[in-house]
Amino acid sequence: GQSLEQPSEVTAVEGAIVQINCTYQTSGFYGLSWYQQHDGGAPTFLSYNALDGLEETGRFSSFLSRSDSYGYLLLQELQMKDSASYFCAVFRGSARQLTFGSGTQLTVLP
Amino acid sequence: SQTIHQWPATLVQPVGSPLSLECTVEGTSNPNLYWYRQAAGRGLQLLFYSVGIGQISSEVPQNLSASRPQDRQFILSSKKLLLSDSGFYLCAWSAGTDLNTEAFFGQGTRLTVV
Repeated sequence: GQSLEQPSEVTAVEGAIVQINCTYQTSGFYGLSWYQQHDGGAPTFLSYNALDGLEETGRFSSFLSRSDSYGYLLLQELQMKDSASYFCAVFRGSARQLTFGSGTQLTVLP
Repeated sequence: SQTIHQWPATLVQPVGSPLSLECTVEGTSNPNLYWYRQAAGRGLQLLFYSVGIGQISSEVPQNLSASRPQDRQFILSSKKLLLSDSGFYLCAWSAGTDLNTEAFFGQGTRLTVV
């Protein structure tokens, strides 16, 4: 089967740095993605890692280690608007279907 | 540019009634299409995905079915809704190629079965 594990909740203060970890177990792995979802809204794409290493996009960075089946999302200079749920997801299988983890609720405090 | 439309935004249906949610994509051809369900405060559960017209794969056994009558149309249906079918339903698409790296979501349908 397949599974993606991530912490259920993380709390940090404005201006801080937070790291959200994700470990996965899946067959036919093609890449690890991260999505952000605000309450009541649709998930939006943040980043994608197909190869090992760090990808940086503004205040957000994502890391992948395929040998460890592990990745993380790093959020820097946290802002109140970053309070949301963050999901890791993998493309897997013959159809590259996208499967999500259970999500991490990030709360940014003033 | 590509867009995805999903409707209705909210729906309240009695137990035992039928369901039809529709999703259409514009600006792309032969996309992979997905239906997800999200319970309150939970993750996204993949219900169905489709790589082409008439090709539907189900991830979990359930009271729902999906159809893809046209390349960019994806429909989620039920003949008789259960209370447990309540949730936030999201349609999504991704490129149907080896360059597939991102999925794009519709705004979702919040279904309450009463």
